[in-house]
Amino acid sequence: GQQVMQIPQYQHVQEGEDFTTYCNSSTTLSNIQWYKQRPGGHPVFLIQLVKSGEVKKQKRLTFQFGEAKKNSSLHITATQTTDVGTYFCAFSGDNFNKFYFGSGTKLNVKP
Amino acid sequence: DAGITQSPRYKITETGRQVTLMCHQTWSHSYMFWYRQDLGHGLRLIYYSAAADITDKGEVPDGYVVSRSKTENFPLTLESATRSQTSVYFCASGETNTGELFFGEGSRLTVL
Repeated sequence: GQQVMQIPQYQHVQEGEDFTTYCNSSTTLSNIQWYKQRPGGHPVFLIQLVKSGEVKKQKRLTFQFGEAKKNSSLHITATQTTDVGTYFCAFSGDNFNKFYFGSGTKLNVKP
Repeated sequence: DAGITQSPRYKITETGRQVTLMCHQTWSHSYMFWYRQDLGHGLRLIYYSAAADITDKGEVPDGYVVSRSKTENFPLTLESATRSQTSVYFCASGETNTGELFFGEGSRLTVL
């Protein structure tokens, strides 16, 4: 079935450094979502991208959906300790019924 | 308060026992989902439901049973628990065209 590969698996950064996680698919995706899970918490929705080449920003977070709709990235500028957690990409089919998640990127930020 | 609640939050059981994890949402969302989270595997979809009395398998349905007699409830039953079902289980709900799923706090299940 359709799967996405999320890289890197872990990332350790110094506070103030930038961070990027990538989600790659071998097939075209209809949509992609990004979630954040704090340690010991539950996943929380960040954003959904549906258009080819789409770029969306939320304060220090920039989300991109590739032109071919096979990859996506989440970039955090100037990380803060509050950014610590695991970031997941997810996707569903055209009819938005099943949602599949990537394996996640665990971000650790050193103060 | 509106939200999605799971119970129990923690459960320890023995191999072969039946366990039911409960999920209740107050938003009247059409869709509900069950995921399990294991280290290195992210979130894997067990079952989902598009509406009351409509359920379908996800990626890893074996060993699990679900039902949805009412829109707000979506219980997950392990009919005969195995050690490999030790995991954190998350229930989620949403009106999925927005892509936004709302997750419960999770149920940590240990099977001895």
